[in-house]
Amino acid sequence: QKEVEQNSGPLSVPEGAIASLNCTYSDRGSQSFFWYRQYSGKSPELIMFIYSNGDKEDGRFTAQLNKASQYVSLLIRDSQPSDSATYLCAVGANAGNNRKLIWGLGTSLAVNP
Amino acid sequence: DADVTQTPRNRITKTGKRIMLECSQTKGHDRMYWYRQDPGLGLRLIYYSFDVKDINKGEISDGYSVSRQAQAKFSLSLESAIPNQTALYFCATSETGRTDTQYFGPGTRLTVL
Repeated sequence: QKEVEQNSGPLSVPEGAIASLNCTYSDRGSQSFFWYRQYSGKSPELIMFIYSNGDKEDGRFTAQLNKASQYVSLLIRDSQPSDSATYLCAVGANAGNNRKLIWGLGTSLAVNP
Repeated sequence: DADVTQTPRNRITKTGKRIMLECSQTKGHDRMYWYRQDPGLGLRLIYYSFDVKDINKGEISDGYSVSRQAQAKFSLSLESAIPNQTALYFCATSETGRTDTQYFGPGTRLTVL
């Protein structure tokens, strides 16, 4: 059973701080990794994806991938109240061309003004 | 206009009724997915389709059926709705050979009384 695990939270950070969200996965052959943000009652929206070990930055967001340790993280710098949401980690299941995404249950983030 | 649309956005129905949820996309993607989301259970895949002639069951297909009428249209049916099918339903799309990134519609909130 391929799994993606996230701490459910809630993770609470003050405005302006760095929020760190973590995700571990079980399929060592996974090649693609995604972070989505979901506001309550809304659909998931892509924040960023990462394929290679190391860091990938996009504005205030940095994704970090460590395939040897099978974890991927998301850092949010200068956190804003509007960042308060659930963050979903998704991992591409390694099944040839019949690939799907395996989803974590999400981490709830609260940014306090 | 939204790239992925879902109709209806909200629906209340009674046990035993047949319900159809529709999804349309203008992204030109070949792959389409139906998920349901329940509090604490995350996103669960119901059915997915990699092209018009390809339909696959997901992890929770019992009680559901789908139809891929065209590349741009993917419908989900509940043949005889039951209360535990009350959930938020999402359609998503992706493109073969690209990043595995999935793009979501706005969701349908279904309540079965």
